[in-house]
Amino acid sequence: EIVMTQAPATLSLSPGVRASLSCRASQRLTGNLAWYQQRPGQAPRLLIYGATIRATGIPARFSGSGSGTEFTLTISSPQPDDSAVYFCQQYVSWPRTFGQGTKVEF
Amino acid sequence: EVQLVESGGGLVQPGGSLRLSCAASGFTFSDYEMNWVRQAPGEGLEWIAGISSGGDTVQYADSVKGRFTVSRDHSKIALYLHMNNLRADDTAVYYCARGGSSWALDFWGQGDLVTVSS
Repeated sequence: EIVMTQAPATLSLSPGVRASLSCRASQRLTGNLAWYQQRPGQAPRLLIYGATIRATGIPARFSGSGSGTEFTLTISSPQPDDSAVYFCQQYVSWPRTFGQGTKVEF
Repeated sequence: EVQLVESGGGLVQPGGSLRLSCAASGFTFSDYEMNWVRQAPGEGLEWIAGISSGGDTVQYADSVKGRFTVSRDHSKIALYLHMNNLRADDTAVYYCARGGSSWALDFWGQGDLVTVSS
């Protein structure tokens, strides 16, 4: 099983200050990495797939980077609406596994 | 518009059984892999089961293997999760989610709460 580790556990944002969330995999993922946003009381929403591709309707301030075992989600100019928990997930092998999440708050 | 609507959750005693359903609409159901993901109260996301578009291949997390069964019915356009021998640590919100063309989970239902307690 591939273990996904996210850092930090909590991130405090300031308006307009770029935020970076880290995700590390215990094995190489060949790009099969997704990021999800979960606002309080809501279902998760796909933000990024293929490590770098924004899903439909996702604002351009969200971007994904990385390869191999190290990946990053960047929020270029955070908005208050971006307060949420962010999860990474690998889908290169079964079982699919998620990171434990990074709580982002203003 | 893609929609996934879970139902069948509720309170069940330890050792009991429950069947969750996920009604799909707005896309060609038989073209997509489907998955179940759960979230215990205050915890993160746990993928627990997946089924191929044709229904011939299924995968499970170790935590539910041998107790849960995922299935799909293309005539009813529905995904199911049969849960047996339920334990307190199965208490969670259960989400169905579509595996998109890249296999990332591109659409999610609103979730259904299962509580296992005596």
